[in-house]
Formats: sequence, C-alpha cells, structure tokens
Amino acid sequence: GAVVSQHPSWVICKSGTSVKIECRSLDFQATTMFWYRQFPKQSLMLMATSNEGSKATYEQGVEKDKFLINHASLTLSTLTVTSAHPEDSSFYICSSETSGIEQFFGPGTRLTVL
Amino acid sequence: AQKVTQAQTEISVVEKEDVTLDCVYETRDTTYYLFWYKQPPSGELVFLIRRNSFDEQNEISGRYSWNFQKSTSSFNFTITASQVVDSAVYFCALSELTLTDSWGKLQFGAGTQVVVTP
Repeated sequence: GAVVSQHPSWVICKSGTSVKIECRSLDFQATTMFWYRQFPKQSLMLMATSNEGSKATYEQGVEKDKFLINHASLTLSTLTVTSAHPEDSSFYICSSETSGIEQFFGPGTRLTVL
Repeated sequence: AQKVTQAQTEISVVEKEDVTLDCVYETRDTTYYLFWYKQPPSGELVFLIRRNSFDEQNEISGRYSWNFQKSTSSFNFTITASQVVDSAVYFCALSELTLTDSWGKLQFGAGTQVVVTP
C-alpha cells in the first residue's frame, strides 16, 4: 500500500514556540490531506482538510490562525502549531487521500509542550 | 451528535477467547463507507477493513470477522481466538460524501480498548 510519512515522530517544545509537522505521501500524489488530533485516551478528531494549492478547510472549533496548514505540493502538507501551549500537547496524525476512497494514515507526531 | 458509537470502552479477555466489538453508526446517506482501524500502543493506525453501504456480505479474514447489518446500523467486529498481540484500541469510522464532500473525512467512534492477557 501507499506510504505516508510524518516528521518529526515526536517533539518537545517550550510554551510559546511554534512547531512544524510535515506529512508526506512517499509514493503517490495526494490531492487531499487531512489532519487529525488525538488527545490521550480519546478518539481521533478531524482538524482540517487541505487541498493542494488552496486554503485549508478547518473544522468547527479549530483555530485556523493557531494551526496553520500549508499544502504546497501533491506530496507535502505541513501543520504549524503557532505559539504552542501545554493544552496543545497531543498526537497529530495526517492522512492522504488518493482516488477518493483510499486513504492512508501517517504514523503520527507526538507533541509535548512544556 | 455522535455519528459513530462504540459503547464498549474496554474489554478484557484471556488469550484464546473470542471478543466482539460493537459499532453503531448514524447517517442519512444511502452511500457511505465504514471502516475498522487498530491502534496499538505505538499509535500508528492499522487499517483493517473498509465496507461500502451496498455490500452487506459478512467478511472473514483470518481470525477477524465483520458483521454488517444495515437494518440495525451496526458494523460489529469479532476477533476469534484472541492473542496478546491483539491488545490495542480499535476504532470504527464512518465516511459520508453528502455532508462532507470528501470520502476521506472520517468520523471516528470513541474506540474500544482490548486487553488480552495470557
């Protein structure tokens, strides 16, 4: 199956700093990528949908100015958590969609904000 | 409103026992997809199955089997002869097109933690 990578796999940062997470589709072109957030012992919640070359669509309650998403190419989407705070500590997972039904998840990035 | 309900928070079984995970979904679409994913402690989601709304045939894959019943809006998952490696969180998910304009947007249930002890 197709491979989606995320980098970094884990990151620890100080409160107030910004963190960038990359999501890459390694062997296919992804027209659409999705970003999910998962707090400990909770389910995955969709944060936003990003399409290559256009602005991301954010789910209700997700601050677009805090979680900046850039989908500059068909193989790369980035999520930047700006001015991170401890409550942003979470597991961030991306997924890439290919032919509309098939989608592939990245391994996730664990963010800890001190 | 919760679209996918996994009422069982945690299930503990002894190795070799069977375990059934319940999933009830809610949708107004006639065409939709249902999924099951496994999330081991590492966190990476492992795809188990995708089923479209027009295919109600039950499926078996090794020790895994799925029972899809549109009449009760359920898509239950059974692990037969459980093993310690089956210990993980299992998520049921729904994909609708009408309300979300993209098949890729999944709505996940709360997940069920399966603990298999030797």
